[in-house]
Amino acid sequence: DAKTTQPPSMDCAEGRAANLPCNHSTISGNEYVYWYRQIHSQGPQYIIHGLKNNETNEMASLIITEDRKSSTLILPHATLRDTAVYYCIVLLDSWGKLQFGAGTQVVVTP
Amino acid sequence: EPEVTQTPSHQVTQMGQEVILRCVPISNHLYFYWYRQILGQKVEFLVSFYNNEISEKSEIFDDQFSVERPDGSNFTLKIRSTKLEDSAMYFCAAPGLAGGGRQYFGPGTRLTVL
Repeated sequence: DAKTTQPPSMDCAEGRAANLPCNHSTISGNEYVYWYRQIHSQGPQYIIHGLKNNETNEMASLIITEDRKSSTLILPHATLRDTAVYYCIVLLDSWGKLQFGAGTQVVVTP
Repeated sequence: EPEVTQTPSHQVTQMGQEVILRCVPISNHLYFYWYRQILGQKVEFLVSFYNNEISEKSEIFDDQFSVERPDGSNFTLKIRSTKLEDSAMYFCAAPGLAGGGRQYFGPGTRLTVL
């Protein structure tokens, strides 16, 4: 599975959009980009995933660059409850394990 | 989609003792995973279990660890002789109906080895 690079931390004002970047320059053509988050030692929570098209669900939007070497998770209106560590994970869409990196610690401030 | 629960939420044990962590209940799932997270560190994969057999395991999952599905629904992770460095949060996870990388994690068991 391809390795990912994320900034260690970022702050975001409540109500504003949070844009979380992820670099996955070694991604292969059949690997998906998944995003999870972990709120203070709770179990990780799935957010969204995509292959090459942009995706949106009730939690977030995922923008994947055309060359697929990077992506951005967008939380459109951040709330205090979005404070968490966000993980970008690349893997084949199979029944495989998730390999978590250090992620990005996002702090949403009032 | 599956709801994943774990018991106990917190377990304290003495070094060298055996502990059993449980994922209950996960109905109609043949596949599940165990992960652990040492305080302040990243989430690490331990083992995946499919249809009553280990599918994949990490270097962490040595002979002191075992997994079982004792009664057709519950999944257990056993550590035979705990060490101080086994202190961590242990999470089990189950895949969604569509499989792939979408996994549903339980709330975790905090294991403290004294």
